[in-house]
Parts: sequence; C-alpha cells; structure tokens
Amino acid sequence: DTAVSQTPKYLVTQMGNDKSIKCEQNLGHDTMYWYKQDSKKFLKIMFSYNNKELIINETVPNRFSPKSPDKAHLNLHINSLELGDSAVYFCASSQPLAGQETQYFGPGTRLLVL
Amino acid sequence: EDQVTQSPEALRLQEGESSSLNCSYTVSGLRGLFWYRQDPGKGPEFLFTLYSAGEEKEKERLKATLTKKESFLHITAPKPEDSATYLCAVSTSGGSYIPTFGRGTSLIVHP
Repeated sequence: DTAVSQTPKYLVTQMGNDKSIKCEQNLGHDTMYWYKQDSKKFLKIMFSYNNKELIINETVPNRFSPKSPDKAHLNLHINSLELGDSAVYFCASSQPLAGQETQYFGPGTRLLVL
Repeated sequence: EDQVTQSPEALRLQEGESSSLNCSYTVSGLRGLFWYRQDPGKGPEFLFTLYSAGEEKEKERLKATLTKKESFLHITAPKPEDSATYLCAVSTSGGSYIPTFGRGTSLIVHP
C-alpha cells in the first residue's frame, strides 16, 4: 500500500547510455513532480505535471524528458547520460488545492553515472 | 526571487538536550510553510504545514512555529531516533503550488 513508489531504487550506468525511471502514486493526486537531490541534500524541482499535462519545466537539459501516461504515473527518461547527472531523483505527488499542497515523496532513485 | 534559508547547516545534540532549528524565508506572499524529515536513503516525510503567523503545531517531541519572517522547529528532549535531516519548504500565493526548499539541517542526537 505504498503511496508513492519509484523503480528502480538504484541505477548504475555508463556515460552516454539512456535510462528511464518510473513513478506511480496511489493517492489519487492530480499533480506529480520530479526533483533532483544533489550530494548536499538540496532538492531542486525539475518538472511538474498536473493531470497528465506539463505545468512546470525548470531549466533542465532537454536530455531529460518526462512522460505522464495517466495522472497516477510519471516517468523520467534520460538520454546520453553525463557524469553530472549522478544524484538521487525523487518523485512526489500532491493535490493542487489550497490547504492540500503537502507533497508526498517516493523513496528515491539513486543514479550513478560512471 | 523567493528564498528559503535554514540554519544551522548541521547540529549535534546530546540526548535530552533541547534545541531549535531555524527556517527564514523571503517570499512575495506566503501560502504555506512545510517541514519535512528525511532519513538517510529515504524520501522526505511530511511533518507539518503552517499557514499563518502565530500558528503552532506539535507532534511528539517536535513543535513548529511560524512568524512573518521565519519558522522554528523546536525539539524537546531529543532522542537518537530523531537524528535526520530536517527540510523546510515554502509555497507562495499567486503562483504555482510548488514549494521552494531550503538546504536542510542535519541533526545528530548522541545517546
């Protein structure tokens, strides 16, 4: 009965490869997010989708492409991986209503690019 | 530009030694301030949401307070299991609901 789940938990890959991370939430939320957390623990928003539509796209290289097949799923595909992409990627969800903006996070995907 | 600053960056306490973590913010209009706890290897876990100055919320040994410029997370008689990184985030009125996070305070409580 995990609220927000991500797969895989660990991802080790070579530079130049393409990889995907999947996220699913069973909270019935309309909004989902991808965050990147660097080695100093700073959480930086990458993308936000509301009901399958992209609403926030921060300054992220276009090698990163999110896709939301339905409002319960948000996947992240990364092309041509670079060393600097190594980080922990968190998926989160929330309901975009006043008083309900609390975000619920997944367990994270630890990406290491060699 | 919205800013969220947490201090101290790291804090070491002895078990039972009460203290406070600070989150100061500069935003155009506060919609809500959030506190999260993050354990190593896990995602942030929601603790509290505060909406207006003067509001307080408590949970076990934690108490969060809010003024117009900052929030405090008071930890009373901490235990080793309170060791974690505590993250503060703010969302602003008139914009998206996406909060801006601070860089966190890493708390270690020694037995």
